Amino acid sequence: AQSVAQPEDQVNVAEGNPLTVKCTYSVSGNPYLFWYVQYPNRGLQFLLKYITGDNLVKGSYGFEAEFNKSQTSFHLKKPSALVSDSALYFCAVRDEYTGGFKTIFGAGTRLFVKA
Amino acid sequence: DGGITQSPKYLFRKEGQNVTLSCEQNLNHDAMYWYRQDPGQGLRLIYYSQIVNDFQKGDIAEGYSVSREKKESFPLTVTSAQKNPTAFYLCASSRMTGTDYNEQFFGPGTRLTVL
Repeated sequence: AQSVAQPEDQVNVAEGNPLTVKCTYSVSGNPYLFWYVQYPNRGLQFLLKYITGDNLVKGSYGFEAEFNKSQTSFHLKKPSALVSDSALYFCAVRDEYTGGFKTIFGAGTRLFVKA
Repeated sequence: DGGITQSPKYLFRKEGQNVTLSCEQNLNHDAMYWYRQDPGQGLRLIYYSQIVNDFQKGDIAEGYSVSREKKESFPLTVTSAQKNPTAFYLCASSRMTGTDYNEQFFGPGTRLTVL
């Protein structure tokens, strides 16, 4: 069965410092991995996705994520955090065999960026 | 201006009442989804639809019903059979291109509270 784990409920980082939000996954086949961001009382916005190819994926707002097949991880990163990056981040996964149109979302990680 | 709209933004329901949440998209997407979001639990799939007049149950369909009479519209009814309906409800849509790796576009959400 598909599953996604975001091991940290909350991540705190100072503005200007690099940030990492962790995600690990479990799927039957090849994974399709996504990151979304949610601002308070809003819907989710797509940041980036990994389908195949280069393990480092670049997305919106300066975010990037690294796919690591051996560690089954897809951590979200940004070289220099902004206060405006403070939000709730969701990792999500589908797989090529059982996904269909069903996406499994992690529980979310709240990012606080302090000025 | 393309996107997904949900209405109302806030909804209050009395015990024993059915209520309907609206979701409309003008992105020409074939697939539409309803999710429920509870604190600390991520998003859980209620129903999804790939084409007009067809839809499938997600993980937590009990106490909910949907219809898909038009491509643009996918309303969700929360029935009195749903024992704990207080939550944030998100509608989403995505393209269907014969693959499973299209990202989803989300509406702004409806916050439902049972009085």
